Amino acid sequence: EVQLVESGGGLVQPGGSLRLSCAASGFTFSSYAMTWVRQAPGKGLEWVSRISATDGSTHYADSVKGRFIISRDNSRNTLYLQMNSLRAEDTAMYYCARLILGSGWFDPWGQGTLVTVSS
Amino acid sequence: QSVLTQPPSVSGAPGQRVTISCTGSSSNIGAGYDVHWYQQLPGAAPKLLIYGNNNRPSGVPDRFSGSKSGTSASLAITGLQAEDEADYYCQSYDSSLSALYVFGTGTKVSVL
Repeated sequence: EVQLVESGGGLVQPGGSLRLSCAASGFTFSSYAMTWVRQAPGKGLEWVSRISATDGSTHYADSVKGRFIISRDNSRNTLYLQMNSLRAEDTAMYYCARLILGSGWFDPWGQGTLVTVSS
Repeated sequence: QSVLTQPPSVSGAPGQRVTISCTGSSSNIGAGYDVHWYQQLPGAAPKLLIYGNNNRPSGVPDRFSGSKSGTSASLAITGLQAEDEADYYCQSYDSSLSALYVFGTGTKVSVL
């Protein structure tokens, strides 16, 4: 069964840092691009970042560019999101998802990990 | 920031047909990029419902169908059932510089 399990969320103060992890299983992790998508409480979905399967190239939404870093460890089948200089508006459920084709769709999604930025 | 526009809510009685529109622009749907749809049940993660405009993953009932034309797409649910009550989001690729992937604003489907 293809599965993604996020971890690492929690409460952090504004300006702080947090690293999220996403453990993948049931598929050849190194063959797929991966993404992070977030959802603020009561709001819609927002794409955050993407990392390619092959050359490790990365892309970010303008809202997190320069503050977040996406990475992957193919030997551990794990995706990461390093979140720095956190702001209240980064408070959200963070989902990792497998990307099917470069301009394609997300499937499956993990269950999400909640990040709360508050003093 | 959502770039694709959906109606906030739609509703219907059990057995009825409802449709959800998704309106984009020349940098996403209008540029020829495919539209995909997700269902998010209360308290759960999103789940792929339709991919490539009109394809259903294994396990998704054929009551769900998608279409695309010009800068818009739509999701139809026929034979509405109580378990279809959820939030639905469209998604596409975007060639602008601000975001590679864009989502719709989301539509809450209520079964009366």
